[in-house]
Amino acid sequence: LAKTTQPISMDSYEGQEVNITCSHNNIATNDYITWYQQFPSQGPRFIIQGYKTKVTNEVASLFIPADRKSSTLSLPRVSLSDTAVYYCLVVFSGGYNKLIFGAGTRLAVHP
Amino acid sequence: SQTIHQWPATLVQPVGSPLSLECTVEGTSNPNLYWYRQAAGRGLQLLFYSVGIGQISSEVPQNLSASRPQDRQFILSSKKLLLSDSGFYLCAWMAGELSYEQYFGPGTRLTVT
Repeated sequence: LAKTTQPISMDSYEGQEVNITCSHNNIATNDYITWYQQFPSQGPRFIIQGYKTKVTNEVASLFIPADRKSSTLSLPRVSLSDTAVYYCLVVFSGGYNKLIFGAGTRLAVHP
Repeated sequence: SQTIHQWPATLVQPVGSPLSLECTVEGTSNPNLYWYRQAAGRGLQLLFYSVGIGQISSEVPQNLSASRPQDRQFILSSKKLLLSDSGFYLCAWMAGELSYEQYFGPGTRLTVT
């Protein structure tokens, strides 16, 4: 399974755009990239997933370059409620979709 | 809509005591089910996953076990708890191999004393 590397922590301010980059150098052809958000004492919540190029939903965008060795989660105009841990995961589509969570990125949004 | 339940919400157990955590899913059939553990300030560690009744795969060797007696029921057990078993236990389900979105339960906070 592909290993992911992302910053341990980030700080931002309300209203700013936040970009969290994740590297996954040994991603395989059938792997998908997913991002989850976790608040304290809660289970993670799915944010977005993608295979290549750009994916956008109502809460975030995911940018994946052609070589797929990295991906960037973009959160537009963050608010205090976006303070959470964000996990980048690579899901092997042929392995019963086991999710391997790393340490994640702790995002702190300040007023 | 689909719902996932876990109980108990919190648990304090002495070292050497048994453990049984239960997870049930409503509103879906034949889900993939997962047990995770999260130590304080750490990421989630996948413990077990199941693709069907009686089918359990273990990810990490330890003194825990899992069972799936019914399609939408997943149980995590231990015969003798260790201090290192303390943590936040999360159950999750996924609709199947074509989906990459997992839905997590509310979790059980286990403290072994």
